[in-house]
Amino acid sequence: EAGVTQSPTHLIKTRGQQATLRCSPISGHTSVYWYQQALGLGLQFLLWYDEGEERNRGNFPPRFSGRQFPNYSSELNVNALELEDSALYLCASSPPGWGNIQYFGAGTRLSVL
Amino acid sequence: GENVEQHPSTLSVQEGDSAVIKCTYSDSASNYFPWYKQELGKGPQLIIDIRSNVGEKKDQRIAVTLNKTAKHFSLHITETQPEDSAVYFCAGGAEGGSEKLVFGKGTKLTVNP
Repeated sequence: EAGVTQSPTHLIKTRGQQATLRCSPISGHTSVYWYQQALGLGLQFLLWYDEGEERNRGNFPPRFSGRQFPNYSSELNVNALELEDSALYLCASSPPGWGNIQYFGAGTRLSVL
Repeated sequence: GENVEQHPSTLSVQEGDSAVIKCTYSDSASNYFPWYKQELGKGPQLIIDIRSNVGEKKDQRIAVTLNKTAKHFSLHITETQPEDSAVYFCAGGAEGGSEKLVFGKGTKLTVNP
């Protein structure tokens, strides 16, 4: 069974540009979570999508947004990129009814120059 | 909101010794506590979890204990092996609540052969 897949693996952008990161959950999983992992910090919760709806968001500015598609895949958009947005962005998925059990992908490394 | 603190930030042990990582949480509503292992270049992998109705859970060389009164939980790894070297994260969340996990800042475990 395929795990959570994220693309691209690496992304290099310049300040002010927009970045789009993609995530495919494990088959059968309906919830997708996005986390930011900056160097030396833990995982910071960004967004939670379930059944196509945004259910919760972390303490991040509105330029971080996303959506979940009918096939439960998701994308994270970061507008007006800033240098401090450089981080590993992790996507996790969980099956319906399993609450907080989250399975992570390998992440997208975003570098803002 | 929930706050999870994790100690130590780095831990070095000899192969065969035991390793213990401790976490405390602040929100008494939290009832789900997973532990993740993150190897270099990979996403976090769920290794064990515990719910608040259980005081201890064991899976081969790995065990987790939970003290709800003191609001702390610990990861115990016995007979450590070099392949146990990784960054370990604890997390806390309220199942059925916001569904987000709050992570500790991680412990870098090094097992010396």
